[in-house]
Amino acid sequence: GENVEQHPSTLSVQEGDSAVIKCTYSDSASNYFPWYKQELGKRPQLIIDIRSNVGEKKDQRIAVTLNKTAKHFSLHITETQPEDSAVYFCAASSRNTGNQFYFGTGTSLTVIP
Amino acid sequence: GAVVSQHPSRVICKSGTSVKIECRSLDFQATTMFWYRQFPKKSLMLMATSNEGSKATYEQGVEKDKFLINHASLTLSTLTVTSAHPEDSSFYICSATPHGREGREQYFGPGTRLTVT
Repeated sequence: GENVEQHPSTLSVQEGDSAVIKCTYSDSASNYFPWYKQELGKRPQLIIDIRSNVGEKKDQRIAVTLNKTAKHFSLHITETQPEDSAVYFCAASSRNTGNQFYFGTGTSLTVIP
Repeated sequence: GAVVSQHPSRVICKSGTSVKIECRSLDFQATTMFWYRQFPKKSLMLMATSNEGSKATYEQGVEKDKFLINHASLTLSTLTVTSAHPEDSSFYICSATPHGREGREQYFGPGTRLTVT
């Protein structure tokens, strides 16, 4: 089955700096890669996603890049703000395996004011 | 749009009893719903895929006789933890994908905190 690894597990940045979270996946058939933000005690919320036919996608301060050959994808947050502090999860999904999401282990991001 | 609810939000039960958790898609139909388990400060572990009108598909290592899943309609899936034990205490969270958008975003419920005493 699919195996998704995520690094780093914790990340602290100064407000205004950039944050980068990286994930790798094992199943070459995976074709959809969402990123979720989970604040303490709350449900995961989709913040950005990318499909395998695209190499990069950007939405304001958030961007995701995908390297299909290397089977890795990354989340980039620029101009970080304290409200960006949360746990971020990457996931991989494939139609071949029923569209289930296999999540990474999560990154706890702290933005220091 | 795309709101998913879960009930109850918290439940405490005694060992040996069964607990039912409901997952509803409020403003869309979902042919497929997913059930996850999340331990404190850990990732979401997929337990099973709930398919409307058919049997659920369980991930390896998840006991289907212990975690009963019923997806009776396009807006409701239920997870029943049977003969609960303290080690079943966890945060259970469901998600749903709008019908016709399979393979795309999943919308998560708020989760259910189960404590087995």
